Amino acid sequence: EAAVTQSPRNKVAVTGGKVTLSCNQTNNHNNMYWYRQDTGHGLRLIHYSYGAGSTEKGDIPDGYKASRPSQENFSLILELATPSQTSVYFCASGDTQNTLYFGAGTRLSVL
Amino acid sequence: QQKVQQSPESLIVPEGGMASLNCTSSDRNVDYFWWYRQHSGKSPKMLMSIFSNGEKEEGRFTVHLNKASLHTSLHIRDSQPSDSALYLCAASDTNTGKLTFGDGTVLTVKP
Repeated sequence: EAAVTQSPRNKVAVTGGKVTLSCNQTNNHNNMYWYRQDTGHGLRLIHYSYGAGSTEKGDIPDGYKASRPSQENFSLILELATPSQTSVYFCASGDTQNTLYFGAGTRLSVL
Repeated sequence: QQKVQQSPESLIVPEGGMASLNCTSSDRNVDYFWWYRQHSGKSPKMLMSIFSNGEKEEGRFTVHLNKASLHTSLHIRDSQPSDSALYLCAASDTNTGKLTFGDGTVLTVKP
């Protein structure tokens, strides 16, 4: 009964292709986040959202778009995927004290 | 420029020993700190949080915070092999609530 579910879990994409990563949460949290994690490194914030209809740029938003159509769903869109976007992507929801609850991650390879 | 700096990058302690991890924010607009633990191949999970100056203890884990210097430390006593993981420090921005993570400390506990 995972509260934050990401799909797909693994994705291979071609350079220049469009990629959409999806995230669904059942925590009823207002805040949601997309991070990427490269091997041996911490998490870098791409986009975040305060609620349905809102998206905010994080620290590394270039090359990414985000969409929050509902409280439960938050998507990350790569319009023109590049090999430098090969990474593990984590979605998270945040409670009122901003403690984050992460999904299992999506491993993306752009060839 | 990394706003949340963690040290050391890696740490090896014997089973039963004490592990000490450090984290400092260079952003004066932070107010809350979290420690997350990420086992290999898994998603990060919140370990402890601290908002006030001083110390907080939960079982074998103790967190210190000095808000004046924006420095927090995590101490693990009686370390176990199951404590081997990547430990991530995160700080939240007072104005936006945005969480920024450090690159983490890789802890290895040798049996």
